[in-house]
Amino acid sequence: GQNIDQPTEMTATEGAIVQINCTYQTSGFNGLFWYQQHAGEAPTFLSYNVLDGLEEKGRFSSFLSRSKGYSYLLLKELQMKDSASYLCAVNTGGFKTIFGAGTRLFVKA
Amino acid sequence: ETGVTQTPRHLVMGMTNKKSLKCEQHLGHNAMYWYKQSAKKPLELMFVYSLEERVENNSVPSRFSPECPNSSHLFLHLHTLQPEDSALYLCASSQAAGRGYEQYFGPGTRLTVT
Repeated sequence: GQNIDQPTEMTATEGAIVQINCTYQTSGFNGLFWYQQHAGEAPTFLSYNVLDGLEEKGRFSSFLSRSKGYSYLLLKELQMKDSASYLCAVNTGGFKTIFGAGTRLFVKA
Repeated sequence: ETGVTQTPRHLVMGMTNKKSLKCEQHLGHNAMYWYKQSAKKPLELMFVYSLEERVENNSVPSRFSPECPNSSHLFLHLHTLQPEDSALYLCASSQAAGRGYEQYFGPGTRLTVT
């Protein structure tokens, strides 16, 4: 079967660093995406990894290890506006992308 | 209008009604998607269109019927729905379908089936 696992909820403090993990078991792999979704809003694209390693984009970084079926999203210098759900998604080949259930991040002052 | 728009934003319908959801993308993309998002569940891919041709149909019940008249518009026709179909329905588009192309989502239609 196809499976993407991520923690249901996390809490972190403003200004801190938080790491959101994602593990996947899929029949195929053509890249991993991270999306951010604020409550009541549409998901928005954050990052894409297809090769092993770290991709950095401002306060956000994403890491991929294909051999371990593992990725993480790293958020630095947390701000209150970062409170949202973070969705891990894998393109399994062709036109199909499978999403995890998302991690709800609460940022407290 | 910019990005991906969806109408209506909220819809309440009885199980015997027929209604349609509309999606329009203003990004010049060639692929469009319908997803279902239920509370605390992953997004479920329903349909994918690439260049107006349906390329993915993810075992969706026939009471959901998609239509893609051109690369900018996507519809989801609904009839004889069940209460468990109540969910947020998201439309998305991407430059092309497949690897490496991030998807741009619309705000969704919150559907309640009574």
